Amino acid sequence: EAGVVQSPRYKIIEKKQPVAFWCNPISGHNTLYWYRQNLGQGPELLIRYENEEAVDDSQLPKDRFSAERLKGVDSTLKIQPAELGDSAVYLCASSDLAASYNEQFFGPGTRLTVL
Amino acid sequence: AQKITQTQPGMFVQEKEAVTLDCTYDTSDPSYGLFWYKQPSSGEMIFLIYQGSYDQQNATEGRYSLNFQKARKSANLVISASQLGDSAMYFCAMRGYGTASKLTFGTGTRLQVTL
Repeated sequence: EAGVVQSPRYKIIEKKQPVAFWCNPISGHNTLYWYRQNLGQGPELLIRYENEEAVDDSQLPKDRFSAERLKGVDSTLKIQPAELGDSAVYLCASSDLAASYNEQFFGPGTRLTVL
Repeated sequence: AQKITQTQPGMFVQEKEAVTLDCTYDTSDPSYGLFWYKQPSSGEMIFLIYQGSYDQQNATEGRYSLNFQKARKSANLVISASQLGDSAMYFCAMRGYGTASKLTFGTGTRLQVTL
């Protein structure tokens, strides 16, 4: 079974440029999460989807960040415009509400560097 | 609100020895789950073990066991018979009430296994 797929793995952009990250969750997982992990820190949730609905986006900086999950499968996270402080690893995770622990499975992340 | 505290930024252990990684937590939720994840240099978060707040027994998964002391609000990870491949960052995380809730992570402990 394929894991969570993310692309690109690495992205370097100049500040004020837009950037987008893509995530394909594990097949059948109805819940999808985007986390941001700053250097030396644990991941912090940006947004959580249940199917197509964003059920928790309280930590998403909505002035510059947006996300969508079309058809309840793939998801895209966008930053426009990027700022220096956005440099981080962006992790996507998915889970199955019916699983016993509902543990979250993570992708390899996208490492963003804003110059 | 939940909080996870990992007070050991780095740990060293000799191969084949056991090591304990500390984790304390704070929450007002009556029901919660505790997780440990491993993050190797490749960046992917790998689920290791889960402990539910109402579980009577400490969780075990192969060489991993969780020393859960509810009254002390601690959930330490014990790795037995350390291997070189265990060298990685280890994160303790908590999920509050509601199985699809976000994970709150600690700052992690970097484990280095030596010969």
